Amino acid sequence: TQLLEQSPQFLSIQEGENLTVYCNSSSVFSSLQWYRQEPGEGPVLLVTVVTGGEVKKLKRLTFQFGDARKDSSLHITAAQPGDTGLYLCADYWISGAGSYQLTFGKGTKLSVIP
Amino acid sequence: GAGVSQTPSNKVTEKGKYVELRCDPISGHTALYWYRQSLGQGPEFLIYFQGTGAADDSGLPNDRFFAVRPEGSVSTLKIQRTERGDSAVYLCASSLTGDSSGYGYTFGSGTRLTVV
Repeated sequence: TQLLEQSPQFLSIQEGENLTVYCNSSSVFSSLQWYRQEPGEGPVLLVTVVTGGEVKKLKRLTFQFGDARKDSSLHITAAQPGDTGLYLCADYWISGAGSYQLTFGKGTKLSVIP
Repeated sequence: GAGVSQTPSNKVTEKGKYVELRCDPISGHTALYWYRQSLGQGPEFLIYFQGTGAADDSGLPNDRFFAVRPEGSVSTLKIQRTERGDSAVYLCASSLTGDSSGYGYTFGSGTRLTVV
């Protein structure tokens, strides 16, 4: 069974600061996805990465996928209060029964203080 | 509709009671998923429908849990003899097909179930 570890569990920073959160897997990712979940809402997809060493940017967010495809980081530049939420990494894989499933980590809960 | 709709948004029930949770997916989406998110955890897979049939129910924790999608659109997750450990947020998601691209999953806002 694949285990995804995310660190830190909690992060509280001031507006304008930079931060990095991490995701490590016990096995190689099929494809890695990052989600943000706000209180009372479902997760919203931020990015999908497939190739080892891949770097993707989404405005102030930079996603890196490790060469061995077992780890990833999410870096946020100049954090804003709107970045507050639970950041989840997930492996997107196909089961033997043909379902495209997500295996999630526990997430990093980010609070950006104005 | 524009998004995945789940009702009710909150449900409080007594231990031992039966509950039904409803999911209305995005119109035209053939694939539908149920996930469960316990406090402090990421969502965990429960069941996958392709059309009307449950193509993969390997995530259902036990036989107290059952889900249907009779007309290939709305789905209902049914929990019998609820236990306090069933307390969680139940999330539904839909996509156009099985979606190999990974871009088509849209989650609803969830139903928060509390068993007292």
